[in-house]
Amino acid sequence: EAQVTQNPRYLITVTGKKLTVTCSQNMNHEYMSWYRQDPGLGLRQIYYSMNVEVTDKGDVPEGYKVSRKEKRNFPLILESPSPNQTSLYFCASSWAPGGEQFFGPGTRLTVL
Amino acid sequence: AQSVTQLDSQVPVFEEAPVELRCNYSSSVSVYLFWYVQYPNQGLQLLLKYLSGSTLVKGINGFEAEFNKSQTSFHLRKPSVHISDTAEYFCAVGLTGTASKLTFGTGTRLQVTL
Repeated sequence: EAQVTQNPRYLITVTGKKLTVTCSQNMNHEYMSWYRQDPGLGLRQIYYSMNVEVTDKGDVPEGYKVSRKEKRNFPLILESPSPNQTSLYFCASSWAPGGEQFFGPGTRLTVL
Repeated sequence: AQSVTQLDSQVPVFEEAPVELRCNYSSSVSVYLFWYVQYPNQGLQLLLKYLSGSTLVKGINGFEAEFNKSQTSFHLRKPSVHISDTAEYFCAVGLTGTASKLTFGTGTRLQVTL
């Protein structure tokens, strides 16, 4: 089954404790992206990757890092999380940046 | 850069009534257009898409949308809604160039009641 998986689905952490949210897709898509969803703001892009070892900032990259060492994986790293990063995070993959995107189930992060 | 406007943050409607969720976009070049649906506590699911061709696009669950280039709109419609259509709906626009990305609107919450 074609899918995008994320782990963990729920995470509660404390300010400053480094964390990683994993994302994996099995559709051989070159383009992957991370979004955060906040009430009233819709989805905002954090980072995206056009291919292995090619990443770039989206609209709200501050406080986040990503890496793309393999085509199927695109982890999101918060090296020093802060409460304003409490949000619902989605990973997505696509055949092209402006094309249909396939979304993971989401990771709800709470930073205390 | 492209942008998307969903004018209605919430749309209440009675079951079996018709509904239209509005979406307007701005772009100086050709676009792809999408509607995604997010059911409570779930991820986003593609409802329908316009890439090219016919301006009337049919999607899943009886939804359809019409691409209107002159009005830069892509409104979503359903002739008769069901309780199970209660969800958040997102319009998104993508440019057809390789350097483009998908831009989402802020969402419309459709609340269907008896």
